[in-house]
Amino acid sequence: TAGITQAPTSQILAAGRSMTLRCTQDMRHNAMYWYRQDLGLGLRLIHYSNTAGTTGKGEVPDGYSVSRANTDDFPLTLASAVPSQTSVYFCATASGRSNNEQFFGPGTRLTVL
Amino acid sequence: LAKTTQPISMDSYEGQEVNITCSHNNIATNDYITWYQQFPSQGPRFIIQGYKTKVTNEVASLFIPADRKSSTLSLPRVSLSDTAVYYCLVGEWTGRRALTFGSGTRLQVQP
Repeated sequence: TAGITQAPTSQILAAGRSMTLRCTQDMRHNAMYWYRQDLGLGLRLIHYSNTAGTTGKGEVPDGYSVSRANTDDFPLTLASAVPSQTSVYFCATASGRSNNEQFFGPGTRLTVL
Repeated sequence: LAKTTQPISMDSYEGQEVNITCSHNNIATNDYITWYQQFPSQGPRFIIQGYKTKVTNEVASLFIPADRKSSTLSLPRVSLSDTAVYYCLVGEWTGRRALTFGSGTRLQVQP
C-alpha cells in the first residue's frame, strides 16, 4: 500500500530467536497499529501508538513490544519467538482525523518453527 | 467494546446488488460504524463509515436504522473483483478505544 512499507515481506524464524518487524510510513499520520491475522481469521490488535512517544497495549500484546521514537517508524519486536506467533502481521496508520479509517501495509508473513 | 455479528459467508453473481448486514446491539453513543474490505494476501482497505441514516460513496452505501443496532453495507452491481472478506467494525471516531475486527463476511461472486 502506498505510503506504508513493511519489512521483511516474509521470514522463517527459529523458536527462541528474537526479531523486529519494521513499519515505516511517509504520510505523517499520528496513529499507528500492529495487527496479527491468523489463517482464516480476522485481525487482532497487538499494540498501538496514538502519537510519537506513546504506545498502548491491544488485544494480544503478550510476547511483543513496540516503540515509537518518531512519527514515521513503529517497529514490532518479538523477544523470544514461539510457534504460536506464526501469523501475518499488518502495520496500519490513521491520520487522527478519524482513527476508524486506517491504512494498512502489505503485511509480513512470519513462520516460527 | 460493542460486539459485531455478521454472516460468515455470502454468495452472489456478477451484476447483482449485495447487502451484508451487521448486528451491533451494544453500540455506544459515540461509536461510528466502519466497513473494510480485504483481498487475499493484502491488508484490509477502508470502504465506508457512518453514524446514522445513509452514507454513500463511489464504492458502496451504508444504511443505518434509527436505533443503530445494525447496519447494512450495500454493494451495487458486484463484479468478480468484489470477491473478498468484508469486516464490520464499531468504534469511536477518535479511535481512542481500539477497533476490533471480527471474522468478517466472505463474499464470493460468481460469473
